[in-house]
Amino acid sequence: SAVISQKPSRDICQRGTSLTIQCQVDSQVTMMFWYRQQPGQSLTLIATANQGSEATYESGFVIDKFPISRPNLTFSTLTVSNMSPEDSSIYLCSARGGAGIYNEQFFGPGTRLTVL
Amino acid sequence: GNSVTQMEGPVTLSEEAFLTINCTYTATGYPSLFWYVQYPGEGLQLLLKATKADDKGSNKGFEATYRKETTSFHLEKGSVQVSDSAVYFCALTTTDSWGKFQFGAGTQVVVTP
Repeated sequence: SAVISQKPSRDICQRGTSLTIQCQVDSQVTMMFWYRQQPGQSLTLIATANQGSEATYESGFVIDKFPISRPNLTFSTLTVSNMSPEDSSIYLCSARGGAGIYNEQFFGPGTRLTVL
Repeated sequence: GNSVTQMEGPVTLSEEAFLTINCTYTATGYPSLFWYVQYPGEGLQLLLKATKADDKGSNKGFEATYRKETTSFHLEKGSVQVSDSAVYFCALTTTDSWGKFQFGAGTQVVVTP
């Protein structure tokens, strides 16, 4: 199994600023993902974080707004740029050992972001 | 594309009652199905999973059977406890999703003593 930690656990930010969320996995993983959980809603995939290359974004999410880095097999960051109140959500990091169906998906505890 | 539909909450039950949360799906590839649980203030935890039709996933007294004919994966527990109060998410991934998950909207369950 894998244990995922995220920093910060929560933050309150002002409109127009940016926040970088860190995700650390306690073992090397093949795949890392970032999800958003808006208040009272389900999880939506933002992007797949690719090691050593640009992230792959889902429809509706763009690199300028959500730049992602993944410098190695255990660490990734998500930046929420030029924030607005609509960005208030829980952001979750996720990881799995591989794309095969028998690989378990693990989730971090989430970062609760409030934008004023 | 892939989608997951689950019953809306909140579902409020008394302790020792029977719990059912309905989940149905559509998938373009061959899906694996999951139930995740999110306790208050915590992250998602895998509750159970099933990777092929007619498989039954089970854990902590919860069960769900992968029904291909009805494209369903309903979660059941025979006797709930107060500690089962949480939000439950049905999810799927497919062989051509490259590890990406599609989640249902989540169902909040509240168990009262």
